[in-house]
Amino acid sequence: DVKVTQSSRYLVKRTGEKVFLECVQDMDHENMFWYRQDPGLGLRLIYFSYDVKMKEKGDIPEGYSVSREKKERFSLILESASTNQTSMYLCASSPPQGGPSQNIQYFGAGTRLSVL
Amino acid sequence: GQQLNQSPQSMFIQEGEDVSMNCTSSSIFNTWLWYKQEPGEGPVLLIALYKAGELTSNGRLTAQFGITRKDSFLNISASIPSDVGIYFCAGQKGAAGNKLTFGGGTRVLVKP
Repeated sequence: DVKVTQSSRYLVKRTGEKVFLECVQDMDHENMFWYRQDPGLGLRLIYFSYDVKMKEKGDIPEGYSVSREKKERFSLILESASTNQTSMYLCASSPPQGGPSQNIQYFGAGTRLSVL
Repeated sequence: GQQLNQSPQSMFIQEGEDVSMNCTSSSIFNTWLWYKQEPGEGPVLLIALYKAGELTSNGRLTAQFGITRKDSFLNISASIPSDVGIYFCAGQKGAAGNKLTFGGGTRVLVKP
C-alpha cells in the first residue's frame, strides 16, 4: 500500500517562528509536492520536486522554502511564520510519467497549522 | 495559477439519490482525476481517466473524460451517508513532474 506520512497532524506556532513540516513517502516516488488547502480555494501548489535536490516553485511559493536531501523526504519550511499562513498543509508524491499509475498523486493526512 | 471550475460548490444529498458534479476548463488536459477528502484526512483517489471520451466506474461512482478534453464529470448513484466529504477534480497536462491543477471542490452534505 502506498504511504505518505506527515510528521504532525496539528501544529501551533507563534508569529515569527521558523516552522518545519516534514513529509516521508515509502514508494520510491520521484515527484513530491506541497499544497495548502483553504476553504473555498481548493488545493494550491506551493512547491514541488521531481528529483533529489531539485525544486520548482508552484503557484504560491512566497514565504515558503523546501528541502529535498533524500528521495523519500520533502520538507516545507516557513522561514518566519505569519498568521496568514494558518492553513491545512498537504504533502503528496507521484511516480514518474510513463509508468503505471502515471499522473496520480498520493496524499498524506495533512498538517493543520495555526500561527498565533 | 489556473484553477479548474468545479460545480456545484456544495450540495445536499438524500439517501438513495443520484448526484453529479463537473469540472470545466479553458485548457486541454491529458489526464483527469477525481479525489474524495473526508474530514481531517488527505484526498484519496477515486477514479483516474486517461483518454478523451473514457467512461470509468468504481462501484457506485462513474466518471467521464470529456470529448473536448476540457471537462469531466463525476456521478454518484444511490448515495449513502458515508458519501459525505469534499470531492476534487484534478487535471494534468503532461508536464514534467506530474503537476496537477485542482478544482475548488464540491462539498457533499447530508440533508437534515
